[in-house]
Amino acid sequence: DTGVSQNPRHKITKRGQNVTFRCDPISEHNRLYWYRQTLGQGPEFLTYFQNEAQLEKSRLLSDRFSAERPKGSFSTLEIQRTEQGDSAMYLCASSQISGGPGEQYFGPGTRLTVT
Amino acid sequence: AQSVTQPDIHITVSEGASLELRCNYSYGATPYLFWYVQSPGQGLQLLLKYFSGDTLVQGIKGFEAEFKRSQSSFNLRKPSVHWSDAAEYFCAVGAPRNNDMRFGAGTRLTVKP
Repeated sequence: DTGVSQNPRHKITKRGQNVTFRCDPISEHNRLYWYRQTLGQGPEFLTYFQNEAQLEKSRLLSDRFSAERPKGSFSTLEIQRTEQGDSAMYLCASSQISGGPGEQYFGPGTRLTVT
Repeated sequence: AQSVTQPDIHITVSEGASLELRCNYSYGATPYLFWYVQSPGQGLQLLLKYFSGDTLVQGIKGFEAEFKRSQSSFNLRKPSVHWSDAAEYFCAVGAPRNNDMRFGAGTRLTVKP
């Protein structure tokens, strides 16, 4: 068990560019979550997958954001036409299936800076 | 939907002193409750969780929390704080019937030598 990993750890991009982040969950975990965290705030839920199915999306996830988990293992989060307001820490978490949100294990995050 | 309030943005305690971080939640039934800690440059680490049963739960690193339904609270405690406990602490609430976990805004803990 190597924990949840995220790449890259830091990304600086210019406004209008597209960016993609990757998350590798703990191998036996079926659920994978994406959160966004801005300075001074707690993580905000964006979306989650159960295996390869994306089962829930927050209203925070505008149409510029898309997430995939093609084979039920790693996941990618893409932001198109980035805006300065997208600057944040993007966190990934994974958990085993349970009756609710379960015990989530978080990765170190990807810090996005949009200039 | 459930929500969480952490009334204290920043707390400073002396090393060796006791600690209590407050958390109040809003949810119509018994929620799932969590405390996470986040150190600079690190991911969130689960300290403890409450799903049901004994309302006093023990966690890692000597932390404990008590679920008080009447007060809608889940306060985190530690009898003697160590300098390494300096970090950001987040309370979170989840609803048993969905997968949406809501976090509080966090409490930053500073430990004085």
